[in-house]
Amino acid sequence: QQQVKQSPQSLIVQKGGISIINCAYENTAFDYFPWYQQFPGKGPALLIAIRPDVSEKKEGRFTISFNKSAKQFSLHIMDSQPGDSATYFCAARVYGPARQLTFGSGTQLTVLP
Amino acid sequence: DTAVSQTPKYLVTQMGNDKSIKCEQNLGHDTMYWYKQDSKKFLKIMFSYNNKELIINETVPNRFSPKSPDKAHLNLHINSLELGDSAVYFCASSPAGQGAGYTFGSGTRLTVV
Repeated sequence: QQQVKQSPQSLIVQKGGISIINCAYENTAFDYFPWYQQFPGKGPALLIAIRPDVSEKKEGRFTISFNKSAKQFSLHIMDSQPGDSATYFCAARVYGPARQLTFGSGTQLTVLP
Repeated sequence: DTAVSQTPKYLVTQMGNDKSIKCEQNLGHDTMYWYKQDSKKFLKIMFSYNNKELIINETVPNRFSPKSPDKAHLNLHINSLELGDSAVYFCASSPAGQGAGYTFGSGTRLTVV
């Protein structure tokens, strides 16, 4: 059972373009929605995160848009650069002692020079 | 100083062997995790420890046994390795607090031949 559905599986964008990755969830008990960036041979690294009481959060070129009623959230990468080429994971967490993150299936982003 | 360190980085072993992966975090976090990343890059939680206490044990074969000697260390021991155990195993940690994200180690690539 995949609780967080992510799309697309892969994305190719020209340098300077906008990259958009979407995620949808079912569990309304999720209270924290981070995005992680993973480069080959490395562990995932926290990129940006949002709580469901906020509809948008921006950090530099990265923006999360959150639609609580639709149970969807998305990552927008503005002015995409070749160095942004990586795998991106959305995730969601139910708060509790475990603070367990459930991850989406990942999006392989390639930014062409 | 590496925040979450795992050893070894690569592990090649034969079927039926027993192996261990070590993880240490110097962030003072109270919760540690083991995640398995398969060949399609899907990240799935295996175990969660909070202050040395097992909180989550997902549907993982009992050949996998985590051990937490203190809250800075979480080791993973695997008995009777099988071909299907080949994957990248990530250790992660998180602090208390609702908005706290994970810090991942760089992973251990396990190959069972």
